Amino acid sequence: DVVMTQTPLSSPVTLGQPASISCRSSQSLVHSDGNTYLSWFQQRPGQPPRLLIYKISNRFSGVPDRFSGSGAGTDFTLKITRVEAEDVGVYYCMQTTQFPWTFGQGTKVEIK
Amino acid sequence: EVQLAESGGGLVQPGGSLRLSCAASGFSFSTYWMHWVRQAPGKGLVWVSRINTDGSITTYGDSVKGRFTISRDNAKNTLYLQMNSLRAEDTAVYYCVRSSYSLPDYWGQGTLVTVSS
Repeated sequence: DVVMTQTPLSSPVTLGQPASISCRSSQSLVHSDGNTYLSWFQQRPGQPPRLLIYKISNRFSGVPDRFSGSGAGTDFTLKITRVEAEDVGVYYCMQTTQFPWTFGQGTKVEIK
Repeated sequence: EVQLAESGGGLVQPGGSLRLSCAASGFSFSTYWMHWVRQAPGKGLVWVSRINTDGSITTYGDSVKGRFTISRDNAKNTLYLQMNSLRAEDTAVYYCVRSSYSLPDYWGQGTLVTVSS
């Protein structure tokens, strides 16, 4: 199975300041079709996960442009340019290049 | 609007069975692969199972293989998860997830399964 490792596991951030989360996979996530199926999800307290970013850097419908994704191969990053109060929650990276689909451990973003 | 509504969760004793349902609406259910993902209390996300559009292909995670069965009824726009031989470690919120070209794009609100004596 592909192991997804996120850092940090906790990220206290001041409102209006940036935040960055890293995700590393144990093997390349490049699919035989040429795509890299790496997604990012936000899970607010008491809510289901919500898709933010897919295929490394594509924002899903309705996602604010303060969220961005980057990376390649085995190293990926989610950035929030200016953290707002509604961004509090746990963020997960996920690979869907191969089965079983696997997730990172989650990074808790909280306001300082 | 895409909607996925899980039901069927509850308290069950170890060794017992439970069937979860997921009612889909707002999209053409029969044209999408569907999945179950679970989350133990306070823990991370774990993919459980998937099924293709007509139900002919199913896949399971190692922790549930041989105990859980995923199925679907396209006429009823409903996804199911039959869970047998339940263990304490199966305690989790179970999410129904739609996928589009390997993208898990929409998730239900989840249903809680508690396995305890």
